[in-house]
Amino acid sequence: NAGVTQTPKFQVLKTGQSMTLQCAQDMNHNSMYWYRQDPGMGLRLIYYSASEGTTDKGEVPNGYNVSRLNKREFSLRLESAAPSQTSVYFCASRLQGLLTFGAGSRLTVL
Amino acid sequence: GENVEQHPSTLSVQEGDSAVIKCTYSDSASNYFPWYKQELGKGPQLIIDIRSNVGEKKDQRIAVTLNKTAKHFSLHITETQPEDSAVYFCAAPPARGLTGGGNKLTFGTGTQLKVEL
Repeated sequence: NAGVTQTPKFQVLKTGQSMTLQCAQDMNHNSMYWYRQDPGMGLRLIYYSASEGTTDKGEVPNGYNVSRLNKREFSLRLESAAPSQTSVYFCASRLQGLLTFGAGSRLTVL
Repeated sequence: GENVEQHPSTLSVQEGDSAVIKCTYSDSASNYFPWYKQELGKGPQLIIDIRSNVGEKKDQRIAVTLNKTAKHFSLHITETQPEDSAVYFCAAPPARGLTGGGNKLTFGTGTQLKVEL
């Protein structure tokens, strides 16, 4: 089993460019999440999806949009990237209390 | 919302010694406390968790203790080995009153553990 797969692993953008981070899970989990990780700040929730067809804001949603394409896939979009969005992004899915994370996507915005 | 504080931010121990990481939480209704380990270049992985109906849980060299009265919980690693070197995160579920589905865990800021030979 692949678990949670994120693409791309690395990306460099210029300010104002847009991009989409892709996430897919093969564990048939209902809930999926996007977190960002910054030094000294732990993991902060951007958006989550409790089930297919629903999405909701987390702690730091500004500047991001999400799409729960189907039960497997949950994408995160940056419409106009800003240097403050330079971070490592993690997708996760959940079964009961257990969060399973992807390997992360490192995004740099110049 | 839930507030989780984690200490220390860095911890260096000699191989074979014990390591202790502490977290406090703000909402007395919280009932689930997981610990995640993040190795370099990887996503966090659950290593142990505890529910509020028990005070301690062990799994080989790792253990978690919970003090509900004081609202803190700790990760204990005994006989540390080089492969224990990683960043460790504690987490707690959201405070009462938040709506929406899913388990919106609030994470601590992480502890960088270094086990020296």
